[in-house]
Amino acid sequence: QKEVEQNSGPLSVPEGAIASLNCTYSDRVSQSFFWYRQYSGKSPELIMSIYSNGDKEDGRFTAQLNKASQYVSLLIRDSQPSDSATYLCAVPLGSNTGKLIFGQGTTLQVKP
Amino acid sequence: NAGVTQTPKFQVLKTGQSMTLQCAQDMNHNSMYWYRQDPGMGLRLIYYSASEGTTDKGEVPNGYNVSRLNKREFSLRLESAAPSQTSVYFCASSATSGGATEQFFGPGTRLTVL
Repeated sequence: QKEVEQNSGPLSVPEGAIASLNCTYSDRVSQSFFWYRQYSGKSPELIMSIYSNGDKEDGRFTAQLNKASQYVSLLIRDSQPSDSATYLCAVPLGSNTGKLIFGQGTTLQVKP
Repeated sequence: NAGVTQTPKFQVLKTGQSMTLQCAQDMNHNSMYWYRQDPGMGLRLIYYSASEGTTDKGEVPNGYNVSRLNKREFSLRLESAAPSQTSVYFCASSATSGGATEQFFGPGTRLTVL
């Protein structure tokens, strides 16, 4: 069974700090990776996708991928209280299905 | 552009009742998905449709049926609801059926089965 593992948290950081969210996956052939943000009572919203090793930056968000270690992370710089949410990591199930496996999510709390 | 829409937003059923959850997307996406989300269990795939006219089981299909009515619409039916089906149901869609691309989610249906 292919798995995606995340620390459920909660991860608590002060406002303005860097929040680091981590995700490990078991399928070595995965080629694309996605981070979703889910506010309480709302649906998941795509915030980052990454396809190659290294870093991808989008505003205050940076996704980091290390395929050799089967590890993908999301850094949030200058964390704001509005970043408080659950962050879901998603990895493809198989190479050509379009299906994703989601981790259980990490709850982030940014304290003013 | 409404994206992915779902109806109803909330529903309460009694054990044994049936209902259909509706989902529609206006992004011309080929693939559509039904998930359920339970506390501590994350998102689990119930059924998906890679393209119009095709459907396939996901991780937790028992107790559910689906219909891909056309390219826009993908419905989920509970024939005989059970308390274990109390959950939040999300529909999603993505552009391509081959390879993994970003999935876009609807607002969800909160279902309680008494």
